[in-house]
Amino acid sequence: QSVLTQSPSASGTPGQWVTISCSGSNSNIGSHTVNWYQQPPGTAPKLLIHKNGQRPSGVPDRFSGSKSGTSASLAISGLQSEDEADYYCAAWDDNLNAYVFGTGTEVTVL
Amino acid sequence: QVQLQESGPGLLKPSETLSLTCVVSGSSFSSGFYWGWIRQPPGKGLEWVGSVNLLGNTYYNPSLKSRVTMSFDTSKNQFSLKLNSVTAADTAVYYCARPYTTSDKAKFDIWGQGTLVTVSS
Repeated sequence: QSVLTQSPSASGTPGQWVTISCSGSNSNIGSHTVNWYQQPPGTAPKLLIHKNGQRPSGVPDRFSGSKSGTSASLAISGLQSEDEADYYCAAWDDNLNAYVFGTGTEVTVL
Repeated sequence: QVQLQESGPGLLKPSETLSLTCVVSGSSFSSGFYWGWIRQPPGKGLEWVGSVNLLGNTYYNPSLKSRVTMSFDTSKNQFSLKLNSVTAADTAVYYCARPYTTSDKAKFDIWGQGTLVTVSS
């Protein structure tokens, strides 16, 4: 049972804006930066966003992240078919002394 | 270009020890990075198993800590995961991964392709 909670699913048509939320607590999101991973079906996860809102090299600027208090969000603007994937938030948790992943959100492009 | 490749037995019986290796190419363990393992049960989410560096700094998931050991074989440029007393709940795809910078314990940006381990009698 993850300490980071995400909505199970999100969807949109091509070109739309989709947001994914990640809810945590003071011991994780409230104290540490948030990372986001993208995992298309059958593939290994890919680091999509780190330090709340920074994109590694090669990640399109359609993806953006933010954090407020004990929650974080990932936004995808101009949704594309290749964005169909599972998305996970993650952060260090001081109480568990562990890196914790969110429950995951499945994004479907209609 | 850094590449990681997991290998190990795909099928284990309950109570056996899971042993996986991750061969690293394009990077040296002396570079100061942590190296980690993450697992994903079929159809479920990601779970961090642990991270370790060559200096001996070790972080294990507390839910697995009593059963996990991670180590290096620098001569073969590989690191390994051992998980003892496995049960069906340990059935998962196991990924090895390297974090983004040497300051990170677990912000993984380089991943292996993953290897499925099934525990079944």
